[in-house]
Amino acid sequence: GDSVTQTEGPVTLSEGTSLTVNCSYETKQYPTLFWYVQYPGEGPQLLFKVPKANEKGSNRGFEATYNKEATSFHLQKASVQESDSAVYYCALSPITGNTGKLIFGLGTTLQVQP
Amino acid sequence: EAAVTQSPRSKVAVTGGKVTLSCHQTNNHDYMYWYRQDTGHGLRLIHYSYVADSTEKGDIPDGYKASRPSQENFSLILELASLSQTAVYFCASRTDRYEQYFGPGTRLTVL
Repeated sequence: GDSVTQTEGPVTLSEGTSLTVNCSYETKQYPTLFWYVQYPGEGPQLLFKVPKANEKGSNRGFEATYNKEATSFHLQKASVQESDSAVYYCALSPITGNTGKLIFGLGTTLQVQP
Repeated sequence: EAAVTQSPRSKVAVTGGKVTLSCHQTNNHDYMYWYRQDTGHGLRLIHYSYVADSTEKGDIPDGYKASRPSQENFSLILELASLSQTAVYFCASRTDRYEQYFGPGTRLTVL
């Protein structure tokens, strides 16, 4: 079945350093890929999505490229801030069936120290 | 901004009791979803609906029922709550572009 695997956390960084959260996926379909972010006490929020292979998505300084050959969608940011501390989820949505359901990874907790 | 609200925000239930979690959206979206979040499992889909008066099973539907009485409202029902259903539950609605908007969650503790 469909699945998403991402960097195990927690990931602890100092402000100003770079971030990479690895995400790999498995599916027999051609999915849309997403990154969601969740702050304490809130629901996940869409960070960005990429519906097509070889395209890049970005928002708030975060970016990821849909690599169909490598089945990867790694999240990167050049310089993290304390306010980026949150849980990050990689997710896929299979196109077939049009249900739009999301298959999530287990999440990666990011802690940024001042 | 899309708006999904959930009630209650937290609940303590007894084993074997009935629990109803409610979700309301003002987005005019057709599709709505219920997920549960557990440590070590991430978020998993329980039920979803694409039209009023119809619901569909997700990936982990056992022990749960769902009800969609109107486009705006979607409920999750635990007829006989069990300890294993202690979790945080999220409702979401989605746009035609497959972007899901989540509510703030309901923390359910079954004792």
